[in-house]
Amino acid sequence: DQQVKQNSPSLSVQEGRISILNCDYTNSMFDYFLWYKKYPAEGPTFLISISSIKDKNEDGRFTVFLNKSAKHLSLHIVPSQPGDSAVYFCAASEMGGYQKVTFGIGTKLQVIP
Amino acid sequence: DAGVIQSPRHEVTEMGQEVTLRCKPISGHNSLFWYRQTMMRGLELLIYFNNNVPIDDSGMPEDRFSAKMPNASFSTLKIQPSEPRDSAVYFCASSLIGAGQRAFFGQGTRLTVV
Repeated sequence: DQQVKQNSPSLSVQEGRISILNCDYTNSMFDYFLWYKKYPAEGPTFLISISSIKDKNEDGRFTVFLNKSAKHLSLHIVPSQPGDSAVYFCAASEMGGYQKVTFGIGTKLQVIP
Repeated sequence: DAGVIQSPRHEVTEMGQEVTLRCKPISGHNSLFWYRQTMMRGLELLIYFNNNVPIDDSGMPEDRFSAKMPNASFSTLKIQPSEPRDSAVYFCASSLIGAGQRAFFGQGTRLTVV
């Protein structure tokens, strides 16, 4: 039973436009959320995170939004660049369980030049 | 600086054979994680160690899987006997204790069991 759900397996966006990747979770104990990025033949790398006490966190072109009541978070990339083409994993951890991270299945983003 | 180093990068083995995956964490990191990636289930945490001690192995799928960390710079994940459904990419990651949410991942080992 997937506690972190990424319902879109893939997404294609034109260069310069906004990419929006969505994630839903079911575990009410999750209080810290992350996005990881993965290129082919490489391991995932941490991208951005957000604590449950916030509803938005921004880092350059990347912004993560959290809607706790809906148990939903999203990653916005503006503007999208071809180098952003990768698989994006949504992840979450429980209060106090900072070592144990639950990942989604990933969304493959393709940014078309 | 060297990142997390995994070996081999690719492994093809026959069903029933023993498979050993190896990991060298980043020097100074004292938490180590083994993950498995499949298309259906994404990234799953199998087991993690703090200071070489296994803390949580609830993600290990079956008794056929075992993991050890004999010292701070080396860990193994063993599957014995292997089955075709074990085919996946296995990642090792490391971090400082308490920072597992931002762990550094190795490049992974792609395991194919035929």
